[in-house]
Amino acid sequence: DAGVTQSPTHLIKTRGQQVTLRCSPKSGHDTVSWYQQALGQGPQFIFQYYEEEERQRGNFPDRFSGHQFPNYSSELNVNALLLGDSALYLCASSSGLKVGEQYFGPGTRLTVT
Amino acid sequence: GQQLNQSPQSMFIQEGEDVSMNCTSSSIFNTWLWYKQDPGEGPVLLIALYKAGELTSNGRLTAQFGITRKDSFLNISASIPSDVGIYFCAGLNTNAGKSTFGDGTTLTVKP
Repeated sequence: DAGVTQSPTHLIKTRGQQVTLRCSPKSGHDTVSWYQQALGQGPQFIFQYYEEEERQRGNFPDRFSGHQFPNYSSELNVNALLLGDSALYLCASSSGLKVGEQYFGPGTRLTVT
Repeated sequence: GQQLNQSPQSMFIQEGEDVSMNCTSSSIFNTWLWYKQDPGEGPVLLIALYKAGELTSNGRLTAQFGITRKDSFLNISASIPSDVGIYFCAGLNTNAGKSTFGDGTTLTVKP
């Protein structure tokens, strides 16, 4: 039973560029949440997708957008990258029945130079 | 916005000792969660608590959901070297769908 997978593992981008991160949820899970984790801090909620729609959104600008596909996988897109976007981006999946029990992927380490 | 205060920020203990850490919030949550994160990996769910006053164990770990619904604590008994890592609490209101995380307690266990 595969857990949550994310790609790529690491990414280096230049300020102003755009990036797309990908996530495949744990088998049987239909809800995907994205978090940003800066060094030395806890994960910060970006948004959550369920049934291919954004269900909840945290305090992040519109430069952060996402998508969920019919197979429940998800993408996180960030436009006009800033140096402050450098962080570990975590994807978490859960079942609609137990939305609190989130299983996290290993994350994508994004560095913006 | 909602904030979680997690304490202590770091702990240095001897192998075999018990550990206690806690999390307080200015807001009420209907679910409390405890995670452990190892370097280079995502957080791993340790314990989920769904009712005020609930006390739940997972092996050597025990967590409680505070009766005010604004706090939770995690105890680790008889610590071992593999307990090393960062422990995060998270509060969730299931109707809102998003988890709010604390900034973590870094645990170091000396053999």
